Amino acid sequence: GESVGLHLPTLSVQEGDNSIINCAYSNSASDYFIWYKQESGKGPQFIIDIRSNMDKRQGQRVTVLLNKTVKHLSLQIAATQPGDSAVYFCAEMWGAQKLVFGQGTRLTINP
Amino acid sequence: NAGVTQTPKFQVLKTGQSMTLQCAQDMNHEYMSWYRQDPGMGLRLIHYSVGAGITDQGEVPNGYNVSRSTTEDFPLRLLSAAPSQTSVYFCASRRGLAGETQYFGPGTRLLVL
Repeated sequence: GESVGLHLPTLSVQEGDNSIINCAYSNSASDYFIWYKQESGKGPQFIIDIRSNMDKRQGQRVTVLLNKTVKHLSLQIAATQPGDSAVYFCAEMWGAQKLVFGQGTRLTINP
Repeated sequence: NAGVTQTPKFQVLKTGQSMTLQCAQDMNHEYMSWYRQDPGMGLRLIHYSVGAGITDQGEVPNGYNVSRSTTEDFPLRLLSAAPSQTSVYFCASRRGLAGETQYFGPGTRLLVL
């Protein structure tokens, strides 16, 4: 069915460590993927995106990896900081209009 | 730019009441959409619009109406509120193309008693 899911609902890491958040998607025809960060009481904030013709894209302290063979997406956050604590959503674009969100992973940074 | 703005921030309704959630953007974006977010869940698309005068249904449109008379505004109407519509509602906009960044508003928290 149509679903974008996450392997773990919660993730705790030590400050300064690297975090990896995983996502499985179901629509092999999806051609655009986005990671959003949502802090408590706020709307989702765009982090990074990747198109299906790429397998890796890097931003500032973040990297997104796309494995189309197994329909897997991951977000890597380097040197995590307290401000990285939030819920992270992956989303996939079906066609031109429909953005399907995953359930979300709560990332907690321990001091 | 103010980006995407939503009003009110919080609203309590009784079952059967109607109300309109306001959304506005000042980025001249063609595409606007409404999502709802239930506890522990991702966002689900309610309705969307690809331009003034054009709207279409998303995943969960029942119980909601929308209109798009201007590029800037995209109000969401609850015709007869039900407790199942208790949720946080987010409005979003993007320039138009599918690969463009989508910007979200701060959300409206709705409680239906």
